[in-house]
Amino acid sequence: GAGVSQSPRYKVAKRGQDVALRCDPISGHVSLFWYQQALGQGPEFLTYFQNEAQLDKSGLPSDRFFAERPEGSVSTLKIQRTQQEDSAVYLCASSQGGTGFSYGYTFGSGTRLTVV
Amino acid sequence: GESVGLHLPTLSVQEGDNSIINCAYSNSASDYFIWYKQESGKGPQFIIDIRSNMDKRQGQRVTVLLNKTVKHLSLQIAATQPGDSAVYFCAEGGATNKLIFGTGTLLAVQP
Repeated sequence: GAGVSQSPRYKVAKRGQDVALRCDPISGHVSLFWYQQALGQGPEFLTYFQNEAQLDKSGLPSDRFFAERPEGSVSTLKIQRTQQEDSAVYLCASSQGGTGFSYGYTFGSGTRLTVV
Repeated sequence: GESVGLHLPTLSVQEGDNSIINCAYSNSASDYFIWYKQESGKGPQFIIDIRSNMDKRQGQRVTVLLNKTVKHLSLQIAATQPGDSAVYFCAEGGATNKLIFGTGTLLAVQP
C-alpha cells in the first residue's frame, strides 16, 4: 500500500483482557518497528524486526508484550492481561533499508489502546 | 481528534513569522537526527534529517541546525503557516536502528 496501515484504529479493553494490534508496512520494506506513545510524550521504542527476524526487543516493558512478523511483512503486537498503564497509542513504522538510517522511517497513524 | 500536545512546552507564533524549536539530545554517540511533525490523531511525519558530520541542512521552508558541542538541535520554520500547527519532536539515532525521541514542542500558529 501507499503507507503504513494499522488496525484497529481504536481499541478499548477491559483490564485483564488480551489484545492484538496489527501493522501492515509499506510493501517491500525490510525493517519494521513498534513504538509506544503515552499521552503528551514522545514515542518510545518497543521492538524491531528485519524481515521476519526480531533483532531487538529491548523496549518491551514486560513479558506480557509479544510481537511477531512470521512472513516478514505484516506484524502483530500482542498484549496479554492488559493493565491500565498499557493505555497508549501504539505506533508502527517501516523502512526500506535493513540497517542504519540510510532510509527514513514511515509511521502509521497508530492504534489508541484504552484499558478500563 | 485526541490531542498529543497536553502539558508540552508551547511555542506560539503569528502567521508569517519565523519559528525556532529547540531540542537537547542525550547521547553524544548519536550520529543521525530527525525532526518529526505530529498532528492530532496521526503518526509522526518526517520533516528533515541531518547527520552528525553536518551542522546545517536546509529543506523547503525548514532548516535544521546541529551543535554537537552542546548536544543541541534546532528546527527553523520560515514564514510559519496555520498548517504548521502541530507537535514537533526531535529524535536521535545511532548504531542501532531505534530512535530516541525528545519530549516534543507544541507549535501554535495564530492567524
